[in-house]
Amino acid sequence: DIQMTQSPSTLSASVGDRVTITCRASQSISSWLAWYQQKPGKAPKLLIYKASSLESGVPSRFSGSGSGTEFTLTISSLQPDDFATYYCQHQFTFGPGTKVDIK
Amino acid sequence: QLQLQESGPGLVKPSETLSLTCTVSGGSISSSSYYWGWIRQPPGKGLEWIGSIYYSGSTYYNPSLKSRVTISVDTSKNQFSLKLSSVTAADTAVYYCTSGSYSNDAFDIWGQGTMVTVSS
Repeated sequence: DIQMTQSPSTLSASVGDRVTITCRASQSISSWLAWYQQKPGKAPKLLIYKASSLESGVPSRFSGSGSGTEFTLTISSLQPDDFATYYCQHQFTFGPGTKVDIK
Repeated sequence: QLQLQESGPGLVKPSETLSLTCTVSGGSISSSSYYWGWIRQPPGKGLEWIGSIYYSGSTYYNPSLKSRVTISVDTSKNQFSLKLSSVTAADTAVYYCTSGSYSNDAFDIWGQGTMVTVSS
């Protein structure tokens, strides 16, 4: 089974910061990776699919990159609405999540 | 726009069967563009995929739950359902129904989630 890991587990940042979250797969998954944002008490929201494709309606400050076993989600300029937990996902496996909180 | 809504009991007794239904609106559950699934999230923890059902009728389940899970589709009601048998307190979680797109292999539509507590 493919395992997904994320780093860091928690990230403290300020509004306007550039934020990068890393997701690693235990074996190559080509570009089959998605990223989700989840706020407390809400369902996850798809941000990125196929590693770098932006879901419709998602702000362009979000971007994804990578292939094979290493992937990144970047928020170019963190906004107040972006404080949340972020998960990567490949097929039926989710990463453990990265919580982005206020510094 | 496709929308999903979970329904079912919020409290289930240990050893009994948890049953949830997801009603699909804004599209057909028989569409060849989507597959359907259930994902859960225990309080304060991460996301766990439970299982999915595909257009072909094929089902795939999390190996850790496979012996207890059944996912099925009712096309006449535009619904799909989850049954999880022999529940314990470890099955207490928010349960989400989701749709996945074959073209992007991601869960693009989610229900709002329903909290299920296993307790006597």
